[in-house]
Amino acid sequence: EDQVTQSPEALRLQEGESSSLNCSYTVSGLRGLFWYRQDPGKGPEFLFTLYSAGEEKEKERLKATLTKKESFLHITAPKPEDSATYLCAARMDSNYQLIWGAGTKLIIKP
Amino acid sequence: EPEVTQTPSHQVTQMGQEVILRCVPISNHLYFYWYRQILGQKVEFLVSFYNNEISEKSEIFDDQFSVERPDGSNFTLKIRSTKLEDSAMYFCASSRTTGRVTYEQYFGPGTRLTVT
Repeated sequence: EDQVTQSPEALRLQEGESSSLNCSYTVSGLRGLFWYRQDPGKGPEFLFTLYSAGEEKEKERLKATLTKKESFLHITAPKPEDSATYLCAARMDSNYQLIWGAGTKLIIKP
Repeated sequence: EPEVTQTPSHQVTQMGQEVILRCVPISNHLYFYWYRQILGQKVEFLVSFYNNEISEKSEIFDDQFSVERPDGSNFTLKIRSTKLEDSAMYFCASSRTTGRVTYEQYFGPGTRLTVT
């Protein structure tokens, strides 16, 4: 069964304390791995797309990486405004829908 | 910057009533989607739409649901006879996906549907 699993469910960090969020996937023929940020009561906000193992993308304090089984979202020296739920989603070869993980709720304390 | 818009932001309806959720996708996008997210749960795919027809749908998207692109800008989701379990946040999304290349999907702010 195609599946996306994220860990941890929640992560509390002090401001400036770097860490990584994990997204493991078992999908048949990965066509793209997507990272989104979701603030409470709002729609997912696109962050990154990764297409193949070894690929990396960066944006400000965030860096996303991809292997054949998982993706990591590294956050360097986070600030309180980085607090949000981070979602990953995978698109399979056979269709256009996204399969979503449950998200990691990230809380950055000042 | 272009964005997906959705109306209304919150809809309260009684069980058995019909609701129409509206979306205006990004203007040069070709694929449109509806997702839902029950409070505290994962985002779930409902349906995708391309070239004026449904390209795929999930098991959730049964006969009580329908989608339409009534004009060049709007994309609607109709729920014919709402049930309590339809209460959720409904997100519209659009993308430039053209087949072999997978482009990211951009999401609207959502419509919170509450069925009483």
